[in-house]
Amino acid sequence: DQQVKQNSPSLSVQEGRISILNCDYTNSMFDYFLWYKKYPAEGPTFLISISSIKDKNEDGRFTVFLNKSAKHLSLHIVPSQPGDSAVYFCAASAQGSGNTGKLIFGQGTTLQVKP
Amino acid sequence: DSGVTQTPKHLITATGQRVTLRCSPRSGDLSVYWYQQSLDQGLQFLIQYYNGEERAKGNILERFSAQQFPDLHSELNLSSLELGDSALYFCASSVGLAESSTDTQYFGPGTRLTVL
Repeated sequence: DQQVKQNSPSLSVQEGRISILNCDYTNSMFDYFLWYKKYPAEGPTFLISISSIKDKNEDGRFTVFLNKSAKHLSLHIVPSQPGDSAVYFCAASAQGSGNTGKLIFGQGTTLQVKP
Repeated sequence: DSGVTQTPKHLITATGQRVTLRCSPRSGDLSVYWYQQSLDQGLQFLIQYYNGEERAKGNILERFSAQQFPDLHSELNLSSLELGDSALYFCASSVGLAESSTDTQYFGPGTRLTVL
C-alpha cells in the first residue's frame, strides 16, 4: 500500500525553464509534507516543507503547492539550473500528539536539467 | 553538511554475519530515525528513538534491532544477514517529537551495506 506516490520516475527540462514535480498521497491523516533532494552516494537533503494549514510555501527558487482536496502536492523550481539535477523525494508525515513524525516517502523523481 | 554523521560509509560482509551501523545526530536533536533504501524500493522507515526510548517501529525485521545511548548516538544492529539486506541505511535526526510543524528530519550520508 503506497501512501505517497510520485508517478513520474523522471523529468527532463531545459536550463532556465520551470521544473514541476508532482506527488499524490492517500492518507488523510498526513498533515506535514516535505521535499528532499538526493545526489548519488549522499543522504537526502531537506529542500522545503509545507504544513496542511497552508496551500503554498516559497523559498527562493523553490515553491511547494498543496491541494488538500485532491491530496496532491507539487514542487516548482524556477528557474531550473543544471545543479538541480538529482532525485527528488516527496515525503509525508502526521504531526501532533500521538503521532511519531515518521516519514513516508514516494519513490522519487529523477530530474535532469539540460544546459 | 546536515550535521548528522554515520559510520561506516561502506560495509561489505557475508551472509549470516552481524554488523552494527552507527549514527550521531545533530547537536541538540533528541529524535533519531533509521531508514532503509533498497534498489527496488524507496526509503522505508525502520525505527525511531526519542531521548533513549523507542517511539515507533516500521518495517523492521526481527533480525534487526536498534538502541539510542545516553549521549544520543544510535546504533542499528543487523544480524543473520541475508543477500536481500544489501541496501543503503540512512539515519535522520530531528529536534524532538513530531509535535511541531517545523520538526524537520535531517539525514546523514548513509551506510552502504553489501552482503555477499
